[in-house]
Amino acid sequence: EDQVTQSPEALRLQEGESSSLNCSYTVSGLRGLFWYRQDPGKGPEFLFTLYSAGEEKEKERLKATLTKKESFLHITAPKPEDSATYLCAVRYGGATNKLIFGTGTLLAVQP
Amino acid sequence: GAGVSQSPSNKVTEKGKDVELRCDPISGHTALYWYRQRLGQGLEFLIYFQGNSAPDKSGLPSDRFSAERTGESVSTLTIQRTQQEDSAVYLCASSLVAEQFFGPGTRLTVL
Repeated sequence: EDQVTQSPEALRLQEGESSSLNCSYTVSGLRGLFWYRQDPGKGPEFLFTLYSAGEEKEKERLKATLTKKESFLHITAPKPEDSATYLCAVRYGGATNKLIFGTGTLLAVQP
Repeated sequence: GAGVSQSPSNKVTEKGKDVELRCDPISGHTALYWYRQRLGQGLEFLIYFQGNSAPDKSGLPSDRFSAERTGESVSTLTIQRTQQEDSAVYLCASSLVAEQFFGPGTRLTVL
């Protein structure tokens, strides 16, 4: 079954403590892996798209990487304002452009 | 420019009533998507529009759910004879190419 799995479910960091979030996927014909940030009570905010193994994208303290089976979202020296749920999604196969989402990682960064 | 907007932001209804949820996509975006997010769960795809046509309706959970899009713009998601399990946040997204941009969602509570 096509699946997207994120780990850990929750992560608590101290301000400045770098870490990584994982997104593993088992789909055929990947047509893009997407990272979003979601704050409580709001819609997901687009962060990155990755298309092929070895690709990397960076934005401020965040860097996303992609392999053939998983993606990592690296957070360097996080700040409390980085606290949010981070969602991973994939688009794959056929003609549809729908995204299949993981259940997210809830990140809390304490000052 | 303006992002995706959704209305109402909150909707409380009684079991058995019909509800209509509205989405205004980003101007010029040809694709529009509806997703559902239940408490503590990942986003679940419902339906995808390209222009005014819906090539993928595979995520609609039952025939009580329907959606339409007019003028390659506004979309309405209708849920007939609402049930308590329909309680969720309904999110709309639009895209021009691959990246989907989300609205703030409509929180539906069925009593």
